[in-house]
Amino acid sequence: QLQLQESGSGLVKPSQTLSLTCAVSGGSISSGDYSWSWIRQPPGKGLEWIGYIYHSGSTYYNPSLKSRVTISVDRSKNQFSLKLSSVTAADTAVYYCARETELLWTFDYWGQGTLVTVSS
Amino acid sequence: QSALTQPPSVSGSPGQSVTISCTGTSSDVGSYNRVSWYQQPPGTAPKLMIYEVSNRPSGVPDRFSGSKSGNTASLTISGLQAEDEADYYCSLYTSSSTYVFGTGTKVTVL
Repeated sequence: QLQLQESGSGLVKPSQTLSLTCAVSGGSISSGDYSWSWIRQPPGKGLEWIGYIYHSGSTYYNPSLKSRVTISVDRSKNQFSLKLSSVTAADTAVYYCARETELLWTFDYWGQGTLVTVSS
Repeated sequence: QSALTQPPSVSGSPGQSVTISCTGTSSDVGSYNRVSWYQQPPGTAPKLMIYEVSNRPSGVPDRFSGSKSGNTASLTISGLQAEDEADYYCSLYTSSSTYVFGTGTKVTVL
C-alpha cells in the first residue's frame, strides 16, 4: 500500500523560504506512470494546486505561484520536495503531497497533510 | 484559470439523493473528461471518489456516481448516509497541463 508522509518546518517567518519533503513508501517514485504533486489548503478554505514533477523531472506549476515555487525529486531517498520563497501570512495552510496517475488525471494517493504557519 | 464553481452547500436526509455541480467553461470542463471528485471529512486529507468524470476507484461505494453535461460536471450521492457528511471538491486537468480545483461544497446530512 502506497504511503506519503510530509515533513518540514511548521513555522516559517515572513519573507523566508518554506521547505517541505514528502517521503514515499510502498512504491517507487521513479515509476513512469505517475507524477508527484503538492496541494495546499488555507485554514477554512478550499484546495489549491501548487505544482507537480514528472518522473522525467519536468515540472509544472500553478501560474499564480510559479515565480516562488520549486519542486524537486530525490530518487535515492524516494522522496520529493517543495520550496516556496518569500512567504507571507497568505501562505499559511495545510500542505499535502499527492500522487497523480498520468492519463487518469487524478490524485489517487494523498499524504495526511502538514500545517505550515507563516508568522514572525 | 479560475477555480471551478461549486455550490457552497447542499443537504439531504438519510436515504435521499443529493447532486453537487462543478461548472467550468466550454474550453475546459466542456472539452475534456479530466474531472475528478474528492471527499474531505473534517480534519482529514481528501480522498478520491470519482475520476475521468464517471469512474469509481475500487472501494468507493456505488452510491457515488459522476456525470457531465455541457460545461458542468456533477457528483450524485444516492441513498445518503451520515458518513457522507463532508466537503467535496472537483478538480480538472487543464489544456495547459495544470490543475484547478472547484470552490468546494459542504454536504450536510439532516
